[in-house]
Amino acid sequence: EVQLVESGGGLVKPGGSLRLSCEASGFSFSTYSMSWVRQAPGKGLEWVSSISSMSNYIHFTDSVKGRFTISRDNAKNSLHLQMNSLRVEDTAVYYCARDRGEQYLVSLDYWGQGTLVTVSS
Amino acid sequence: DIQMTQSPSSLSASVGDRVTITCRASQGISNSLAWYQQKPGKAPKLLLYAASNLESGVPSRFSGSGSGTDYTLTISSLQPEDFATYYCQQYYSTPPATFGQGTKVEIK
Repeated sequence: EVQLVESGGGLVKPGGSLRLSCEASGFSFSTYSMSWVRQAPGKGLEWVSSISSMSNYIHFTDSVKGRFTISRDNAKNSLHLQMNSLRVEDTAVYYCARDRGEQYLVSLDYWGQGTLVTVSS
Repeated sequence: DIQMTQSPSSLSASVGDRVTITCRASQGISNSLAWYQQKPGKAPKLLLYAASNLESGVPSRFSGSGSGTDYTLTISSLQPEDFATYYCQQYYSTPPATFGQGTKVEIK
């Protein structure tokens, strides 16, 4: 059974940092691209970042470029999102998701339960 | 960036009704479209990909169609567990992958 479990969310002040993690199991993690999608309270879904299976392709939405980094450790089946210079508008539930069919930046067939990031003074 | 516009933003329907949700892209996306269902407090769930391909395990009452810029999600006979918010997502021109604003399906 495919499982994605996020962790690392919490309350942080504007300008602070957080590192989100996603532990994957039940599939061959090293062959799939992975993505982060966020959802602000009461709002819709927003793609944040994606990383290809071997980390040779990485992309971010414009609003987080230069502040967020994405990485993965295929030996540990884990995905990470380092978030620096956090802003109030980064407040959201952050979901880790798997790109379908071992392709990059396509539909997302499995999602974690999400981790809440709250940026507030 | 390609913009995705869903309509309606919300709708009220009864169990057994046929429900159609529309997603319009700001430019052609060549069937590179996915539909998701999200229930309150839960992660989204993939329903269809490539506009009309049903994801494994998804009931056959869900179907998708369309071409070019206009796509539809149809629920042939609404069930109690289908009351949720539905999102479309294009992946034709990425990054970014862009989502529609969502359509909330409520009980009439």
